[in-house]
Amino acid sequence: DGGITQSPKYLFRKEGQNVTLSCEQNLNHDAMYWYRQDPGQGLRLIYYSQIVNDFQKGDIAEGYSVSREKKESFPLTVTSAQKNPTAFYLCASSISGRRNEQFFGPGTRLTVL
Amino acid sequence: QKEVEQNSGPLSVPEGAIASLNCTYSDRGSQSFFWYRQYSGKSPELIMFIYSNGDKEDGRFTAQLNKASQYVSLLIRDSQPSDSATYLCAVNPTDTGKLIFGQGTTLQVKP
Repeated sequence: DGGITQSPKYLFRKEGQNVTLSCEQNLNHDAMYWYRQDPGQGLRLIYYSQIVNDFQKGDIAEGYSVSREKKESFPLTVTSAQKNPTAFYLCASSISGRRNEQFFGPGTRLTVL
Repeated sequence: QKEVEQNSGPLSVPEGAIASLNCTYSDRGSQSFFWYRQYSGKSPELIMFIYSNGDKEDGRFTAQLNKASQYVSLLIRDSQPSDSATYLCAVNPTDTGKLIFGQGTTLQVKP
C-alpha cells in the first residue's frame, strides 16, 4: 500500500531534550513538508523540501531541524531551543509541480512534560 | 504576507441540508485550490481540488472557484452527521512551492 507513515504516534519529552519525529513515504513524491498544529488552530509550516539534499525554512523554523538524505524520508528534530513544542506534528508529501496536491501522514502528538 | 481566510464557525446545519463553506485568498496569482477535511484528533484528508474558474462536482461535494473575486467555496449536499469535521481551505500561491492554509471552519451536522 502506498502512503505516508509517521512514528511514533505519541511522544513524551522532558524539557531540555531533543527528539526526532520520523516521516516516510512510498508514493515516489519529490516534495515533503512538516507542519505544526496547535489546538483549534490551522497548520503552520515548519520546513519543506522539494528535492533530496535540499530544504527550506517555513514560517516557524526556529527550534527545529530537518534532513533530506533520501527521497523517502524527511525526519524532523525538535530541539531544546523550541520553547513551546507541545503540539500535533503533521508530515505531508506531494509531487513537485504547479498544482502541489499534498497528502498527509497520520501525525505525531508531542507532549513536553 | 499571503493569506487565506475562513470563518472559524461553528457552522451548524440540520441533517439533509446543504452546507456552504467559504474561503478568500489574497494572492491573485494563485493557481490551485484545495479543501481538506479533518476529524477531531486526526490528520487532514484531501477531499476536493480545483484549478479552473467555475464548479467541480464529486459526489455530494461541489467546489466553486471565482478567481476574479479571489473566492473559493465548498458545498456539501445532503449533509450527514459523519460530515461533522473541520474543513481546511488551502491555496497554492504563485511559485512558492508550498500551500497556505486557512484556520479552518468547523461544521456540525445535527441529526
